[in-house]
Amino acid sequence: GAVVSQHPSRVICKSGTSVKIECRSLDFQATTMFWYRQFPKQSLMLMATSNEGSKATYEQGVEKDKFLINHASLTLSTLTVTSAHPEDSSFYICSARAVSGQETQYFGPGTRLLVL
Amino acid sequence: GQQLNQSPQSMFIQEGEDVSMNCTSSSIFNTWLWYKQDPGEGPVLLIALYKAGELTSNGRLTAQFGITRKDSFLNISASIPSDVGIYFCAAQGGGSNYKLTFGKGTLLTVNP
Repeated sequence: GAVVSQHPSRVICKSGTSVKIECRSLDFQATTMFWYRQFPKQSLMLMATSNEGSKATYEQGVEKDKFLINHASLTLSTLTVTSAHPEDSSFYICSARAVSGQETQYFGPGTRLLVL
Repeated sequence: GQQLNQSPQSMFIQEGEDVSMNCTSSSIFNTWLWYKQDPGEGPVLLIALYKAGELTSNGRLTAQFGITRKDSFLNISASIPSDVGIYFCAAQGGGSNYKLTFGKGTLLTVNP
């Protein structure tokens, strides 16, 4: 149980285009999902907290108009990187918190974004 | 802000040896978690700790939630080559803020 999937696993896009990343909890409902960004050889950096049916809460320094988050259901959250630029290239990871569980987050496998 | 000090930063050991890593903080946390991350993948939960003083095992892994709620350790016994990876500690403060604070990770290399 507690499986989180991400799609796509990797994506290459041209500068200026938008990219959507999906995060799904496969066998549990998640009222809260989190989006992280990870640079090589570094720890995870929280970008935003996504709550089902409400606006996401962004961490300081993260542009909400750049990184659009939609948490439309208890099993799906999406992150859209708008007008992507090479500096947006990174490893994006989502996590999900179970509705009735204790405070444990389960992570997706990550999405590798390369912007050319 | 809240920070977790994770040590050591990296370890090189021989197969069969035991490993110990820990995280400390100046802040109190209600939950401690240990994750392992392989290259190009997301972190996988190893052990979750919810009570101060709690000692929990998962196979060859043992972790403890410090009694002061400001620290945690992870031990790996009889290491094997597939234990290679980055181990992260993470902690959560409780209440309605479910955000995790992460340590900077321990890179473990196991020589066969």
